[in-house]
Order: sequence, then C-alpha cells, then structure tokens
Amino acid sequence: KAGVTQTPRYLIKTRGQQVTLSCSPISGHRSVSWYQQTPGQGLQFLFEYFSETQRNKGNFPGRFSGRQFSNSRSEMNVSTLELGDSALYLCASSPGDSYEQYFGPGTRLTVT
Amino acid sequence: DAKTTQPNSMESNEEEPVHLPCNHSTISGTDYIHWYRQLPSQGPEYVIHGLTSNVNNRMASLAIAEDRKSSTLILHRATLRDAAVYYCILRSLNTGTASKLTFGTGTRLQVTL
Repeated sequence: KAGVTQTPRYLIKTRGQQVTLSCSPISGHRSVSWYQQTPGQGLQFLFEYFSETQRNKGNFPGRFSGRQFSNSRSEMNVSTLELGDSALYLCASSPGDSYEQYFGPGTRLTVT
Repeated sequence: DAKTTQPNSMESNEEEPVHLPCNHSTISGTDYIHWYRQLPSQGPEYVIHGLTSNVNNRMASLAIAEDRKSSTLILHRATLRDAAVYYCILRSLNTGTASKLTFGTGTRLQVTL
C-alpha cells in the first residue's frame, strides 16, 4: 500500500501571499489530520477531517483552513502568510479513531 | 489534555537495550498511552500503544505501571537507525477527540557505536 503523500515537498512564499498544501491519505483511510512543526513550538495539531467534515480544530487563527474531498484527499490553505508560518506541515491519515496515525513526509514552507 | 513528561535526551550504545521513561500522572481512565518517533527529516512514525497491560510488537515493548501514572518504552537492541525523537502521547478514545495527538517535546535518543 502506498503511504501518505504530500505535495509539494518544498515551497517558498512571500509574506501576504496565500498557499495551498495537498495531502493524499492511504487508500481506505477516512481521517486526515494536519500538524504544524516548528523549532519553537514543536508539533501542533491544526485540524482533522473525517468523511469531508472538520471534526477537530486546534488553536490556530482563521487564516488556517482546510477541506476534505469525497476521495478523502485533503487540502489545507493558509491565507495572508506571515513569517511565523514558516514550518514543516505534516499530514496524517488513519482508518478511524481507534487506529494509529500514519504521517506523510511533510511540506516545508518558507515565508520570506 | 493530560500531559506527559519525558527527559529531553538520552544516549545509548548500539545493540544495548534502551528504556525511555514517560510520566503521565494525570492520565484518565479512557486515555491510551501511545508512542511515536520521528527520525531526522521524516514525519512521525507510530511505535506502540497500550492501555493497562504491557505490550510487545516487532519494534518495541511498552511497560505500563500498575497505577498507569508512568510508562517505559523499551527498545531491546538499539541500532543507529533508532536515533530519533520519541514522543509519549496520551490519546483519549472519546469520540471526536481521539484523532488529536498532543505532542510534547519528546526525548531525543542518540545511539553511538
């Protein structure tokens, strides 16, 4: 089975722009979660989608949003980028609540 | 969310056992203890989880204290490929929140020859 894939792997954006990151979960997995990892704050939960519905949300501003499609693929969007949004964004998929999460390699976003 | 406490770093020699401790004194009855690890330049990887009883799998063993306020991840023979940051996470099975993993700072394991 193919693992979780994230595109693009690396991205450079300018302050004020917006960005969309994509995540393809493992086939059959209905839950997709997003995390932000920075040296200062570590790994922080952004949100989780299950069957196209946002089920959980972390403590991030409204500039961070996401969605999930009927094939379970997910996208996250960050609008009005700030320098502090520079981070590794990780996506994880799972068959459901009782199961472990499988993480992708992440998208490294640099905001200049 | 219930919190976990882990040492910042540990060192081990290759092919020796490693015991990675985790304290979770505020654990609730519905919290499972999960361990993930993150190798350099990779996303986190599931290692093992348990509720009350000790657990074994091909990667590691998990020893859980009788009062569940602490646990220990055991790597039976550390290799250089086990050098990573190990995270101990409490995961509630309450519907709707189980997906939210709360990562602490973890333990950075160094393995030397």
